[in-house]
Amino acid sequence: DTAVSQTPKYLVTQMGNDKSIKCEQNLGHDTMYWYKQDSKKFLKIMFSYNNKELIINETVPNRFSPKSPDKAHLNLHINSLELGDSAVYFCASSHPPGQGIYGYTFGSGTRLTVV
Amino acid sequence: KQEVTQIPAALSVPEGENLVLNCSFTDSAIYNLQWFRQDPGKGLTSLLLIQSSQREQTSGRLNASLDKSSGRSTLYIAASQPGDSATYLCAVNGAGKSTFGDGTTLTVKP
Repeated sequence: DTAVSQTPKYLVTQMGNDKSIKCEQNLGHDTMYWYKQDSKKFLKIMFSYNNKELIINETVPNRFSPKSPDKAHLNLHINSLELGDSAVYFCASSHPPGQGIYGYTFGSGTRLTVV
Repeated sequence: KQEVTQIPAALSVPEGENLVLNCSFTDSAIYNLQWFRQDPGKGLTSLLLIQSSQREQTSGRLNASLDKSSGRSTLYIAASQPGDSATYLCAVNGAGKSTFGDGTTLTVKP
């Protein structure tokens, strides 16, 4: 199946822990993103990578570090987790925005709960 | 900075009604606009994508329009069904990122 897949789907962890969320796309897209959806259901972009290079970092705490080993993968590592990090994190991919004719494909989300 | 607003925030209609969801954006320099559906606790499903050069797109009972100059898009749902109940999100796609509205939560009552 062609898709954007995220793992894990659910993640429950204690404050202070370090955790990673993985994302892979097999759509041949060059650009990948991480979005955060908070408790009020508002979706906000966190990072954008184009061909393994960071192009957007939206004032996200440096506890969050994206890593792109290749253009099909964009993982999100979070250090020293805090209660406020609890949210649903969505990975997405697209062709470079300059091509204009493609939209964004989203993964199914990772629900992170920090206790 | 792009800002996207969706009105209304919530809408409840009886089954069978036609309805319109609104999306407005502040920066008309967009590549395309995308409408998504999100069911409770689920991910995002892309419904329609309108290119900046297009005026509308149709898929089944859904019709999305785009007026780039006025910064507006509408999603028209014909003959609504209970299965249409979900949150509908408008995403304006520009240079490097997609900016989302806060969504309209639709409830269609049987």
